[in-house]
Parts: sequence; C-alpha cells; structure tokens
Amino acid sequence: NAGVTQTPKFRVLKTGQSMTLLCAQDMNHEYMYWYRQDPGMGLRLIHYSVGEGTTAKGEVPDGYNVSRLKKQNFLLGLESAAPSQTSVYFCASSVGHEETQYFGPGTRLLVL
Amino acid sequence: DAKTTQPPSMDCAEGRAANLPCNHSTISGNEYVYWYRQIHSQGPQYIIHGLKNNETNEMASLIITEDRKSSTLILPHATLRDTAVYYCIVRVANAGGTSYGKLTFGQGTILTVHP
Repeated sequence: NAGVTQTPKFRVLKTGQSMTLLCAQDMNHEYMYWYRQDPGMGLRLIHYSVGEGTTAKGEVPDGYNVSRLKKQNFLLGLESAAPSQTSVYFCASSVGHEETQYFGPGTRLLVL
Repeated sequence: DAKTTQPPSMDCAEGRAANLPCNHSTISGNEYVYWYRQIHSQGPQYIIHGLKNNETNEMASLIITEDRKSSTLILPHATLRDTAVYYCIVRVANAGGTSYGKLTFGQGTILTVHP
C-alpha cells in the first residue's frame, strides 16, 4: 500500500513550457486535491476533485488545469509555465465522508 | 473555518513529552480540531483529530478543553524524528461548496527535539 505518490519529484522548466504532474493513490479515495506551498504562504488549494470525472477550482486555480479520468489518478497541468509557478506541489486524497487528507511527498518545480 | 493561534516555536528534550498548544476561541460546535505535521521537505502528515473528547492514537494524544476554545497535542516520548512544523487546523467536517475539503494551514509551531 503506497498511499499517495507523485511524479516527478523534481522538475526544471523554462518559461512557456508545459508539463503535467501526476498524482496516484491506491486507497480507493473519492476525493483528491492539489495544493501548492510557497515560503511564508502555507498550503493553498489549486483544484480538487470529488470523484472520477469531476473537478473544481480551489483558491488559486489560474494557470493550472486538472483531470480525473481514473479514480486513482489526479493530473495537474501547466500549459504555459511562469516563474510565479515555482513552488512545491502537494497532492492529497481523502475518503468521501471523512475529511482526513493524506498527502503525497511533493513535486518541486522550478520555472526559469 | 475558525482561526487558530499557535506559538511559533518550541523545544523539547528527546524522550520527554512534547506538549503543543493551540488556541481556537472562535470554534463552532460542528468544527473538528485536526493536527498535521510537516517534516522538512516532506508532505504534511496527518496526526490526529477530535471534536469534543480527548483522543489518542499510536502517534499522539489530543486534549481538548471543555469549552473547546483550546487544545493540546501531546507527543508522549519525543524523538529526533519528531522535529517538524506542527499545524493545528479547525474545520467543518463534510463541508460543501467552495470550501469543500480545503485544509487551511497557518504558520504552525516549529518543534525542535534536542538530544
């Protein structure tokens, strides 16, 4: 039981490039979330999903897109990366009626 | 969700109990108290949560005052690996709408466990 995994662990992008971050969970959780963490800012919710095929915007969705084609996977896409998107990205998942969220190890993204 | 107040930092000797306080004076009746921690360069880790009663699991104990305005997380025998930022979070269970599932992490308490 791996829990929540994220790939890649680290990535460097140039401004304007695109990439997709993958989150996978093997706990059969309905809900999945993408957060970003910046120094002094805490974690901020980007997008979330309450089930396969559904997505919704969080606090800071601009510049990101997401997809939840399979229950166990939640993808975060950056269509045209900007230096402001340099951050550590965390994925989390939770069971439907219990709000405890379990986090992945994070993806460090540097946009030059 | 109610706001929480935590001391910015605390120290603890290895093997001793670490008692981390949290004030949440505006907590509502349907809001739970959650504790997470984040070890350097890792994802946040769930520790424990409670509503009214004290709770204990394999990691820690949570003591909530009778008026629910404050709580204390207790790590009974702190180790060096417990050095982390500890976050106290108050949130409504099964919240819907725009706050659905959102965890609001404040600044937390940096706990340093010394040998």
